[in-house]
Amino acid sequence: RKEVEQDPGPFNVPEGATVAFNCTYSNSASQSFFWYRQDCRKEPKLLMSVYSSGNEDGRFTAQLNRASQYISLLIRDSKLSDSATYLCVVKDNTNAGKSTFGDGTTLTVKP
Amino acid sequence: NAGVTQTPKFQVLKTGQSMTLQCAQDMNHNSMYWYRQDPGMGLRLIYYSASEGTTDKGEVPNGYNVSRLNKREFSLRLESAAPSQTSVYFCASSLQGAVYEQYFGPGTRLTVT
Repeated sequence: RKEVEQDPGPFNVPEGATVAFNCTYSNSASQSFFWYRQDCRKEPKLLMSVYSSGNEDGRFTAQLNRASQYISLLIRDSKLSDSATYLCVVKDNTNAGKSTFGDGTTLTVKP
Repeated sequence: NAGVTQTPKFQVLKTGQSMTLQCAQDMNHNSMYWYRQDPGMGLRLIYYSASEGTTDKGEVPNGYNVSRLNKREFSLRLESAAPSQTSVYFCASSLQGAVYEQYFGPGTRLTVT
């Protein structure tokens, strides 16, 4: 079993749709959680950190459930520019803060 | 600030050749990382350096060596390239500690024939 698992998709949605991505992790000692966005042939860029209380940034909402070892990302009112691959990232609690990446979920938003 | 820079951007090697991928960051980060990303897959950690003077193996270290030259620079060396090392290589850096996100360089696209 992979340490971090994501639904690979692809998700194909019309503009304006709401879409949710899920991610599960296996290491209960994991400390920090992030969602990154990766455009085709580009480097990953931080979309948002995920806090225990949940957090929202505009159209994006991230949730963490430590008991179920589950992270989610909700995108409301999808835009064409949201088309990308979304990577779930789990960081351990060592000083080095090693990160484990999911394989990513691909989203295509269509007009 | 340039952030994280990597050279070269593209490279083609023949099997058995060696090369060094360069990475530098200007954000005064302690920790630096090397990943590889194969098509349709997430990033896999090759080596990391928690702080200047230390390096450790990640998930897929075989066939690679690293050098943390100073706080800014972290290089990745392929001693004898193999076709299985064809991939995109990303360097990243972060402040030390679990809560901090990583910042990535633009990547090096390596093909081994």
